[in-house]
Amino acid sequence: DAKTTQPPSMDCAEGRAANLPCNHSTISGNEYVYWYRQIHSQGPQYIIHGLKNNETNEMASLIITEDRKSSTLILPHATLRDTAVYYCIVRVPGSSNTGKLIFGQGTTLQVKP
Amino acid sequence: KAGVTQTPRYLIKTRGQQVTLSCSPISGHRSVSWYQQTPGQGLQFLFEYFSETQRNKGNFPGRFSGRQFSNSRSEMNVSTLELGDSALYLCASSFGQGYGTETQYFGPGTRLLVL
Repeated sequence: DAKTTQPPSMDCAEGRAANLPCNHSTISGNEYVYWYRQIHSQGPQYIIHGLKNNETNEMASLIITEDRKSSTLILPHATLRDTAVYYCIVRVPGSSNTGKLIFGQGTTLQVKP
Repeated sequence: KAGVTQTPRYLIKTRGQQVTLSCSPISGHRSVSWYQQTPGQGLQFLFEYFSETQRNKGNFPGRFSGRQFSNSRSEMNVSTLELGDSALYLCASSFGQGYGTETQYFGPGTRLLVL
């Protein structure tokens, strides 16, 4: 699975959009981009995933560049409860390694009042 | 639909003891993966079970083992506990059969403290 690079930390004002970048320059054509977040000492929570089109759900939007070498997770109106570590992961679903997620250090997002 | 459940949530053991942790996956999920999270190493993959067989294994010593039952519930065992085994142990489940994009869903974790 491809390696990802994320900034270690970011701040965001409450009510503003939080834009979390992820670099995955070695991503292959069949690898999806997944985002999870982990609020202190809880299990990681699935947020969203995508292959090459932009995706949106009730939690966030995922913007993937045309060359797929990077992506951005957007939380449109950040709240204090969005303070967490956000992980960007790339993987091939359905492969022999489908049950193995490789976590990097993630980005610690601090939402401030 | 109920989420992934893990028991116990907290555990205190002493060095040299062994411990067994349990994970019940989301109904219909047949893959269960285990992860260890420590402040120094972050989230690390331990192993994955699918249909009662270990399908993937991370880079952990043989003291860490697991199994999966016919109802997809899984247990992991750590023998001869060391202080460094203190961690949050997480399990995650998915369909495991290439359905859709195979999203893994995590349980709340078991926090193990080894004294």
